[in-house]
Amino acid sequence: EAQVTQNPRYLITVTGKKLTVTCSQNMNHEYMSWYRQDPGLGLRQIYYSMNVEVTDKGDVPEGYKVSRKEKRNFPLILESPSPNQTSLYFCASSLTFGTGQETQYFGPGTRLLVL
Amino acid sequence: QKEVEQDPGPLSVPEGAIVSLNCTYSNSAFQYFMWYRQYSRKGPELLMYTYSSGNKEDGRFTAQVDKSSKYISLFIRDSQPSDSATYLCAMSSSASKIIFGSGTRLSIRP
Repeated sequence: EAQVTQNPRYLITVTGKKLTVTCSQNMNHEYMSWYRQDPGLGLRQIYYSMNVEVTDKGDVPEGYKVSRKEKRNFPLILESPSPNQTSLYFCASSLTFGTGQETQYFGPGTRLLVL
Repeated sequence: QKEVEQDPGPLSVPEGAIVSLNCTYSNSAFQYFMWYRQYSRKGPELLMYTYSSGNKEDGRFTAQVDKSSKYISLFIRDSQPSDSATYLCAMSSSASKIIFGSGTRLSIRP
């Protein structure tokens, strides 16, 4: 089954404690992206990756890091989480981006609370 | 001013009505335009994808882009209760970085 998986689904942590949210896809997709979703603000792109070892900043990259060492995985790293990073996070992937033929798959979401 | 503006609603219409959802934008470099549907407690799903100006139709859904007015629309014909969801517009200039609207909550009354 084609899918994007995220772990953990729910996480409560404290300010300053480093954490990683994993994202994995089994469709050999080149394009992967992380988003956060907050009430009234919609989805905002954090980082995206066009392929292995190719990453770039989205709209709200501050306080986040990513890496793309393998095609299937795109972890989101919060080196020193702060309460303003409390949010619902989505990972997404598609075969490519920009051809108009993409089907984009979203993960189930990770709800993060930073105390 | 936000790059992409979208009326948050909520918008409530009777079943069978034509629904019109809209977004305006300020960045004339946008050339990729998308509409997503998000059900409660689920991730978004891509509904429509349009490059540059014009119309695109897929079943009951039609996406329109008017670059001269910096305005995009999504029309839903013969709306069904199962169309009740939040609809998000999204745009990109470089085919990689995507900017989203804040979403419109739509409710279809049986």
